[in-house]
Parts: sequence; structure tokens; C-alpha cells
Amino acid sequence: KQEVTQIPAALSVPEGENLVLNCSFTDSAIYNLQWFRQDPGKGLTSLLLIQSSQREQTSGRLNASLDKSSGRSTLYIAASQPGDSATYLCAVWYSGGGADGLTFGKGTHLIIQP
Amino acid sequence: NAGVTQTPKFRVLKTGQSMTLLCAQDMNHEYMYWYRQDPGMGLRLIHYSVGEGTTAKGEVPDGYNVSRLKKQNFLLGLESAAPSQTSVYFCASSYSPPQGWGSFTEAFFGQGTRLTVV
Repeated sequence: KQEVTQIPAALSVPEGENLVLNCSFTDSAIYNLQWFRQDPGKGLTSLLLIQSSQREQTSGRLNASLDKSSGRSTLYIAASQPGDSATYLCAVWYSGGGADGLTFGKGTHLIIQP
Repeated sequence: NAGVTQTPKFRVLKTGQSMTLLCAQDMNHEYMYWYRQDPGMGLRLIHYSVGEGTTAKGEVPDGYNVSRLKKQNFLLGLESAAPSQTSVYFCASSYSPPQGWGSFTEAFFGQGTRLTVV
């Protein structure tokens, strides 16, 4: 069974810092990996999608990397802003156990202090 | 610019009552999914559909039924609600299967339905 772990579970940093969120998964037979942002009481917003054949994807101040063989992904946020405060979820597309769908980590709750 | 729309957004049920959650997408996506999100458990897949007229079980299907009569709609039913089904329910869709091509595998989520069973 695929398991996705996100470290740290919570993070609080001053505005302007660069930061890294970590995601690891136990089965490297994934199709792709997706990072999401979730604001309190809201739905999930897709940030970046990395296919299994890719090493990284960038969108604005966000950069996500994928090391499939070691089962790891990182989300790098540059020059953090208070508006970046949210929960960040990592999820892998994985086909196993007869179910197709995203397997999620429990998220990193990020607070950016003004 | 609707994307994935869930109805209703909030609902309170009494134990034993039934209800249906509706998910509608306007992106012509083949794949649709229902997840539940619980504190400390993360999001877990309930049921999914790989196309009109198809459904399949996910990780936590017990107590739920689904139907995909039209490509754009995916319904989640609770026949006899239980307090353990108190949760936030999310619907998602994607154009192609996860092993498909490029950005077409990206999943888009609705805003969620907060369900409380008392």
C-alpha cells in the first residue's frame, strides 16, 4: 500500500524567507505527483504537477522537484509572503490495490509571519 | 469558469437519514473521484469513475454508493447516515487517467461539502 508522508507537519517562518516542504512516498511506481494548496474551509488548489519522467516543475515562486527512485519530492517556496499561509498537500497518482486515484499526505500547515 | 462544483456546501443529517451529494464538472473530464477529509487522516478515496456509466471502489467505500449516469455528473449517496460519516467531502476530476499524457492527468477539486451527522 502506498503511503505518503509530509515533513514538517507545521511550519512558521518570518516573511521573506525561502523554505522547503518535504514529501516522501513508499512505492516508487507512481505515474505523477501533484502539490496542492488548501486554505481553511476551502477546497484544494492545484499548484504543480510533476510527471514521473520529470525532475522538476516551476511556477512563479514555486519549484517542485521529484526523485522517483528515492521516493521523495520537495516544494520550494521563494521569498515567502503572508498570503502563502495555507496547508500544502502532496499527492501521488498510484495504481495499486485495485484503486486508481491520488494518495495524499496529511499536509504541512504553513504560517508566514508578517 | 465553473470547473468542479459541489452541491450542497453544508448539510446536517440525523442518524439513519439518506442524502445525495452532487458533483458537476464542465471540463469534459473522463475521470471523477470522491474523497473524504478527516482531521489526522488526510484525504481518502471513497469511489471513482473512469467514464460515463462506470464506478469503482476506492479505499473507504463502505456506507456509500455512487452513480455516473452522465459524463459531467458524479453522485455520492449515503443510504443510512452514521456519525462516522461526519466529514468534509471533496469531488475531483481529471481528463485522462493518471498514467496518461502530461497536464491532462492533472486533478481539479471542488470546494467541498461539510457534512455533519448527529
